[in-house]
Order: sequence, then structure tokens, then C-alpha cells
Amino acid sequence: SQQGEEDPQALSIQEGENATMNCSYKTSINNLQWYRQNSGRGLVHLILIRSNEREKHSGRLRVTLDTSKKSSSLLITASRAADTASYFCATDADTGFQKLVFGTGTRLLVSP
Amino acid sequence: SAVISQKPSRDICQRGTSLTIQCQVDSQVTMMFWYRQQPGQSLTLIATANQGSEATYESGFVIDKFPISRPNLTFSTLTVSNMSPEDSSIYLCSVEEPRETQYFGPGTRLLVL
Repeated sequence: SQQGEEDPQALSIQEGENATMNCSYKTSINNLQWYRQNSGRGLVHLILIRSNEREKHSGRLRVTLDTSKKSSSLLITASRAADTASYFCATDADTGFQKLVFGTGTRLLVSP
Repeated sequence: SAVISQKPSRDICQRGTSLTIQCQVDSQVTMMFWYRQQPGQSLTLIATANQGSEATYESGFVIDKFPISRPNLTFSTLTVSNMSPEDSSIYLCSVEEPRETQYFGPGTRLLVL
């Protein structure tokens, strides 16, 4: 399987703390995307980082990409209870068209 | 970003029956995708649907089990045929709009008894 791995599988923190999730993948990519899923509902697109980018920010989110290690990290700063969700990375393999391969996901619980 | 809706949002079905899931987009898109998310698992791509051509299925998924229609640039259906409890999953459609970014519908939660 080409599915990426994410760690940790589950993360429990207090409001105000930072949360870091890591994603590793196996093949060359065009880009890597992070998604959030609340309680088994649809996925919300968070951020896309291209293979020639090393870091990207969006509000409280910071994403890094290390193509030499085939890994990415998602940092959520100053977490809130509303950030409680599952987070998935997805890679777009370098095949010329968009086929996303999803990681295993990290379940984040932010307690008030 | 595109606004995507799915019908039904959830259903409970008897084994051996079939269910057709609809996906509607508020703008014209070239490619639509169907994913399955089994309980507690990540998403797996079922097939890619282009308007006017046969869907392209991923390894492990076949047209007889998951027939897909794509009659125009804003609509697609996925049928789950001859269902068994192992088909209990969330089924999600997505579109690539703008290029490189995929947006997902709210999903259809299916329980097969």
C-alpha cells in the first residue's frame, strides 16, 4: 500500500497548548495537503504545500515539508477545543493528475 | 471553493440491496473522485470520474460492485451494489477545484445490516 503514516495516532492536550502531527510518505510528490475531519463528517481542506516549498503558514497552522525525508508536519498553535478532530495528510503522487493517497490520521483531543 | 452536496447523508440498508449516492457540485468541474472511509480508518480512493468517459477504478474496486455515472460536469452518482455489512462506510465525493486542491462533500454514512 502507498498509504502514508501519521504519528501520533492520537494526541490529547489542553487548550492553549501547541499540537504537532507528523506525516511520512513513500513516493515522489507534487504536493501534500492537510485535512481536518470532525466526527466522521466531510473533510475540510486546511493547507496545501508544494514539493518545492519548505514551510507554509495559514493562521494558527504551520506546515513544513522535507522531501529528502519524505515527511511533513502540521503544527497548530494556541489550540482550542474546537480544534478537536481527526487530521489527515494526503499526497498527490507525481503521476500527472490528481490522485490523493491519505495518511492514517491523527485524532486530536483538545480539552478546555 | 466549490460547494459540494451529497444525498443521502446517511442510510441503513439490508444486505443484498443497492444504494445510489448522488454528488452535486455548484460549478462545472472536470474530474470528480469517489472515496470510501471504513470505520475508524483513513480514506481510500475508489475511482475517478470524468464527464463523458468510463470511470477509472483503483485496485480492489470493480465497476460491477461500484458503478459510477457522470452525466454532466456538475453531477455524479456512485452505486454500492449487492451490499454486505463490509460495505458499511462513509462514502465521499470530491472535486479538484482549483487545480491541485481537492474539496470534499459532507459524505454519506452507510450502515448495512
